[in-house]
Amino acid sequence: EVQLVESGGGLVKPGGSLRLSCAASGFTFSNYNLNWVRQAPGRGLEWVSSISSSSSYIYYADSVKGRFTISRDNAKNSLYLQMNSLRAEDTAVYYCARNYDLLTGFSDWGQGTLVTVSS
Amino acid sequence: DIQMTQSPASVSASVGDRVTITCRASQDISNWLAWYQQKPGKAPKLLIYAASTLQSGVPSRFSGSGSGTDFTLTISSLQAEDFATYYCQQANSFPYTFGQGTKLEIK
Repeated sequence: EVQLVESGGGLVKPGGSLRLSCAASGFTFSNYNLNWVRQAPGRGLEWVSSISSSSSYIYYADSVKGRFTISRDNAKNSLYLQMNSLRAEDTAVYYCARNYDLLTGFSDWGQGTLVTVSS
Repeated sequence: DIQMTQSPASVSASVGDRVTITCRASQDISNWLAWYQQKPGKAPKLLIYAASTLQSGVPSRFSGSGSGTDFTLTISSLQAEDFATYYCQQANSFPYTFGQGTKLEIK
């Protein structure tokens, strides 16, 4: 069974940092692209970042570029999102999701981890 | 960036009804469109990818069509478990973008 389990969310002050993790199991992690998608309370889905299976390509939404860093460790079956200079508008549930290739959508999602940026 | 516009924003329907949701891209995305279903407090679930390919395990009452800029998701006979919010997403190019969502409510 495919499992993606996010952790690391919590309450942080504006300007602060947080590192999210996503632990994967049930599939060959190194064969898949991984992504972060977020959802602000009561709002729609927003793609945040993607990393290819071998980390050869990385993309970010303009809203987080320069502040967030995506990375993965294929040996540990883990995906990460380092979030710096956090703003109130970064408050959201953050989901990790996998896709086998770039064109076919996100086939599996984690349960999400809530990040709240507030003073 | 490619903008995705869904309509309607919300729809009320009854069990057994046929429902169609539309998604329009601001530029040609070929057939690289996915549809998701999301229930409150849950992660989204992939229903359809490549505009019309049903994801494994998804009931056949769900279908998708379209190419270029105009796409539709159809639920042929609504079941109680289908009441949820539906999102389209273009996978043609980065940044990936989602539609704003369509909330399907019980009439």
